[in-house]
This record gives sequence, C-alpha cells and structure tokens, in this order.
Amino acid sequence: EDKVVQSPLSLVVHEGDTVTLNCSYEVTNFRSLLWYKQEKKAPTFLFMLTSSGIEKKSGRLSSILDKKELFSILNITATQTGDSAIYLCVGTSGTYKYIFGTGTRLKVLA
Amino acid sequence: NAGVTQTPKFHILKIGQSMTLQCTQDMNHNYMYWYRQDPGMGLKLIYYSVGAGITDKGEVPNGYNVSRSTTEDFPLRLELAAPSQTSVYFCASTKGGSGANQPQHFGDGTRLSIL
Repeated sequence: EDKVVQSPLSLVVHEGDTVTLNCSYEVTNFRSLLWYKQEKKAPTFLFMLTSSGIEKKSGRLSSILDKKELFSILNITATQTGDSAIYLCVGTSGTYKYIFGTGTRLKVLA
Repeated sequence: NAGVTQTPKFHILKIGQSMTLQCTQDMNHNYMYWYRQDPGMGLKLIYYSVGAGITDKGEVPNGYNVSRSTTEDFPLRLELAAPSQTSVYFCASTKGGSGANQPQHFGDGTRLSIL
C-alpha cells in the first residue's frame, strides 16, 4: 500500500529558528513529491520535486528529494510567526493519484 | 480568477439527512477530486474523475456519490448522513495527462457537521 510518513507530527519553535521537516515515502509508480502549506483553509502549493539532489528554493524555504532513500526534507530558515501552519507532503503516482501524509503542525512563537 | 469554488462553506446536517456539496472549476481541468480531512489527519480521497462522464472510487467512498456531467462541475452527494462524516471536505482539480503529476488546485473547503 502506498504511504507517505511525515515527522515530526508537531513542532514548536521561536522566531528566527531554522526547522527541518521530514517526509519519507513508499509510492509505486512514483512521479513527483509535492509540498503544501495549509493554514486555515485550502492547502497552498510550495514545491514540486521530481529529480534527486536538486534543491528547490523560494525565499526562506527550500526542499530537496532523495529518490534512492525515498525521502524529502523541507527547510525553513529564520522562521516567522506567519510560517505557523500545517505542512503537507504528497507523493504522486501514475497520472492521477496523490498520497497525502498526515502533515507536520508547525507553531512559531514570537 | 475564481479557480476552484466550493459551496457551502459551512453546514450543519441532521443524522439521516442528505445533501450535495458543490464544486466547480473554471480552469478547464480534466481531473477533479474530492477529499475529506479529519482533525489531525491528512487528506483522504473519496472520489475522483478524469473527465466528464467518468468517475471512480478513492480510499473512502462509502456513504458518498458523485457525478461529472460537465468538465466544470463535480458535486459530492451525502446520502443518509452519519456522525462519522463530520469533516472538512476539499475539492481539487488538475489539468491531468501524462508526465509528472502537477500540483492540485484546491477549493477553500466545506466544513460539515452532522448532529
């Protein structure tokens, strides 16, 4: 059965800290790995990773994929209170299947 | 840019009642999905559709039905609502096709309580 496992489940840090969120996956016919940020409403897209070892970066956020070890990490540097959210990791399979992890709940304290 | 629109945003339903959650997208996307998200959990797939007239079950289809008569609309129907269906429901869409899967576009969700 396809699965995506995220760790830690929750995390509390102070503003300015750096955090690393982990995602491991077992997905047949793997196509890509996606990261989303979910605040009060719908998940918003952060990154899509398809190739190993190539870092994707957007401001203070970055992510990388290791297809040999079947994991990905999402890094957030110099965290801000606005980074408080649930971060979802999603493995995609075939042409239509999206397998969601349970998410990491991040709380950033001022 | 409307994207994916879900209605209603909130609803309270009595046990045994039925209702339809509406989802429409204006991006001419072929693939549409319905998920539910329970507290502290990820999203679980209820039903999906790869085009008008084509639907299929996901992981948790029991108690739900869908139809896809047009590319734009993908309503989700709850028959004989049960407390276990209390959840937040998200509709999503992608263009679809071959190659690496693209990010899904999500609606804002429908928060449904069944009492």
